[in-house]
Amino acid sequence: GQQLNQSPQSMFIQEGEDVSMNCTSSSIFNTWLWYKQEPGEGPVLLIALYKAGELTSNGRLTAQFGITRKDSFLNISASIPSDVGIYFCAGTRWGQGNLIFGKGTKLSVKP
Amino acid sequence: NAGVTQTPKFQVLKTGQSMTLQCAQDMNHNSMYWYRQDPGMGLRLIYYSASEGTTDKGEVPNGYNVSRLNKREFSLRLESAAPSQTSVYFCASSEGRNTEAFFGQGTRLTVV
Repeated sequence: GQQLNQSPQSMFIQEGEDVSMNCTSSSIFNTWLWYKQEPGEGPVLLIALYKAGELTSNGRLTAQFGITRKDSFLNISASIPSDVGIYFCAGTRWGQGNLIFGKGTKLSVKP
Repeated sequence: NAGVTQTPKFQVLKTGQSMTLQCAQDMNHNSMYWYRQDPGMGLRLIYYSASEGTTDKGEVPNGYNVSRLNKREFSLRLESAAPSQTSVYFCASSEGRNTEAFFGQGTRLTVV
């Protein structure tokens, strides 16, 4: 079954606010990925993380690979209406060829 | 570059009918995946192919078969569709294991 716990499940925020979401697991992961999905579309890759402790930014988005290799977080600064969507974390474990997904965080932004 | 292309985009089947979902990628990726997405369940892996000529079961393989036809194409077959297979199906590809995956636009399947 699912091995990634993603929280929160949903968020309702005001435009301009910062957002933080995270993903945890009881297993060690060697890759963490963050995706965004908009209605009717496939997931789109936002950030990829490959090393424990790695901190990577993509515009207003920042993600970190936890030191324990069991967690990752995604921050969005100064949110805007087009940030609306579902954000998924995903990861792979060493020696396994499959990508495992969290259940997603649904973000709503009020103008 | 089209990336990952899935066909068809929409399909309605009657219970017991069979069909094949097609997926092709033009990024010369080694690994390909089939996921299903249901409300509140995230994406669950059905099957994956780490390289041409190999396939492995994922989390929810029952009722499905796959074929890695060549490096570019990975098809998903429903032999006898059931209402529980109503879902959105996504194909994805990645360069290798443990690297980022890129997704197609999805196939919305309804089984009545």
